[in-house]
Amino acid sequence: DTAVSQTPKYLVTQMGNDKSIKCEQNLGHDTMYWYKQDSKKFLKIMFSYNNKELIINETVPNRFSPKSPDKAHLNLHINSLELGDSAVYFCASSHAPGQGTDTQYFGPGTRLTVL
Amino acid sequence: EDQVTQSPEALRLQEGESSSLNCSYTVSGLRGLFWYRQDPGKGPEFLFTLYSAGEEKEKERLKATLTKKESFLHITAPKPEDSATYLCAVQDNAGKSTFGDGTTLTVKP
Repeated sequence: DTAVSQTPKYLVTQMGNDKSIKCEQNLGHDTMYWYKQDSKKFLKIMFSYNNKELIINETVPNRFSPKSPDKAHLNLHINSLELGDSAVYFCASSHAPGQGTDTQYFGPGTRLTVL
Repeated sequence: EDQVTQSPEALRLQEGESSSLNCSYTVSGLRGLFWYRQDPGKGPEFLFTLYSAGEEKEKERLKATLTKKESFLHITAPKPEDSATYLCAVQDNAGKSTFGDGTTLTVKP
């Protein structure tokens, strides 16, 4: 019974292509996140949505566009992929800030390789 | 800007050899400090949350402590299955989480 799921698990694509990663959580959380983990294992937040509204938007290129159709889903669309986009992308979810524990539960990750 | 520094970067222990991992932080209003465990090819798995200086939490062979500037993750009599990367993160009052680079622990039988 997966709490936070992501698809696909692996994504290999050519430079310049557009791709999407999907994330779903069944924990009833209001807040969802996208993180990027580079080859040095550094985990950096990209976006955070609370109840379908963007609340955190770090310095991320405009080519990255998150979309939240409902509070259980947060998808990440990437346009014009570049070599530097190669990384593992993690989705996470938590209760809304200030409403219960802020513990984040992470998905299994999507390993994106841009050739 | 919030900062988290973890040390050492890598730690190799013999089974049963206790040690500690350090997480130093600066944050503009600490909401919580989190410890996660990450196994290769998997997402981070929650271990502990600490909210205020002096707080301690334990789980099996792990014990986390918190001061105003740093947190320690103490590992007592580790086993090979404790081998993983341990991540520390702080969350500020705006709800933003900042992660450290992690400490990769290897426990040899």
